[in-house]
Amino acid sequence: DAKTTQPNSMESNEEEPVHLPCNHSTISGTDYIHWYRQLPSQGPEYVIHGLTSNVNNRMASLAIAEDRKSSTLILHRATLRDAAVYYCILRDVNSGAGSYQLTFGKGTKLSVIP
Amino acid sequence: EAGVTQFPSHSVIEKGQTVTLRCDPISGHDNLYWYRRVMGKEIKFLLHFVKESKQDESGMPNNRFLAERTGGTYSTLKVQPAELEDSGVYFCASSQRGLNNSPLHFGNGTRLTVT
Repeated sequence: DAKTTQPNSMESNEEEPVHLPCNHSTISGTDYIHWYRQLPSQGPEYVIHGLTSNVNNRMASLAIAEDRKSSTLILHRATLRDAAVYYCILRDVNSGAGSYQLTFGKGTKLSVIP
Repeated sequence: EAGVTQFPSHSVIEKGQTVTLRCDPISGHDNLYWYRRVMGKEIKFLLHFVKESKQDESGMPNNRFLAERTGGTYSTLKVQPAELEDSGVYFCASSQRGLNNSPLHFGNGTRLTVT
């Protein structure tokens, strides 16, 4: 299974942009890159996903390297509510059962400083 | 639209007892997943339903765990008998039908403590 590598923790000042990196050097051609986050005492929350092109939505932007071996989640203006653990996940296919499960790693704990 | 709901939010039981966790997915979501995080570990996949059928149960730890989804709506996860190492947070998630790459919507989990 393709794996991802993320920094254990990052800090950001409130209202400043945040760039959360993720390395996935063994990504396959059909792996989508998904980002989820988990706020304290809540379940994981979908943030964004993409395959090759950069993606934007109301929550964040996803910048994908041309060789797809790395990606960056961009929060344009961090708020206190963005303090969470951010997970970069390659959508994993269990080929035997046709299931598209998510494999969570340790993620990056983002702290936002007022 | 109501999100994924899980019940109970917390459960404390003694070793050897039985506990049943319930998950109500988002209406119309045929895909339903169970995940769990045990103490100090990462969130791990348990199993995946498509409607009432088990699509993938490769993550179920042992035969003390039984998941059902009769009628393809809500799902239950029963642990019988519970052991100390089963303590953790159990998450349920659902996603839309037919879209293998659609986002998963998670509930807030059930915190299970086995004493």
